[in-house]
Amino acid sequence: GAGVSQSPSNKVTEKGKDVELRCDPISGHTALYWYRQRLGQGLEFLIYFQGNSAPDKSGLPSDRFSAERTGESVSTLTIQRTQQEDSAVYLCASSVDGSSYNEQFFGPGTRLTVL
Amino acid sequence: AQSVAQPEDQVKVAEGNPLTVKCTYSVSGNPYLFWYVQYPNRGLQFLLKYITGDNLVKGSYGFEAEFNKSQTSFHLKKPSALVSDSALYFCAVRDGTSGSARQLTFGSGTQLTVLP
Repeated sequence: GAGVSQSPSNKVTEKGKDVELRCDPISGHTALYWYRQRLGQGLEFLIYFQGNSAPDKSGLPSDRFSAERTGESVSTLTIQRTQQEDSAVYLCASSVDGSSYNEQFFGPGTRLTVL
Repeated sequence: AQSVAQPEDQVKVAEGNPLTVKCTYSVSGNPYLFWYVQYPNRGLQFLLKYITGDNLVKGSYGFEAEFNKSQTSFHLKKPSALVSDSALYFCAVRDGTSGSARQLTFGSGTQLTVLP
């Protein structure tokens, strides 16, 4: 497909378990972003990848959160020892490059529910 | 630091009437401003952006937005609302100054309901 894809679309897990969320950006997009959207709230920035540069991790809420990106393609967001407050929709976005004027294209999100 | 305020959680208008969704921002450098729309169970879709130039920006689906530097506002408008415009709208800002962080800062969203 031409857009950003994310998997799984829904994930239900038990408190304390680890989860891994996947994002496939638009082909050729060098910049990739992860955001978290809690129910009824706006988006919170988590992490940003640009090419081979060191990622901007300034938005990660705790050391339980980590993310990786393979080159300029797939990214995975890992949450270890999940807590109930981690329940949210996790959105991935990509853009042509990291330039401030380029819009971001969002995937449909992964809805995470921690029981 | 950068921030966005969307003062209205909800906006309701009748179909065919003009609509306005308000947004104000704060950024230390040059504001780059964006509007996104989110339909239920779907990701955000880009509507329009202001980078530089003409203060009135036209975007997708007949939407437009006006950048007002003195009022630090970027309100979204449409002359004639459609029921299908009902969705959640987000305003976002980033600092366009070279070397600034690249992530967008989003407002809390405004739920637009267009009544038939």
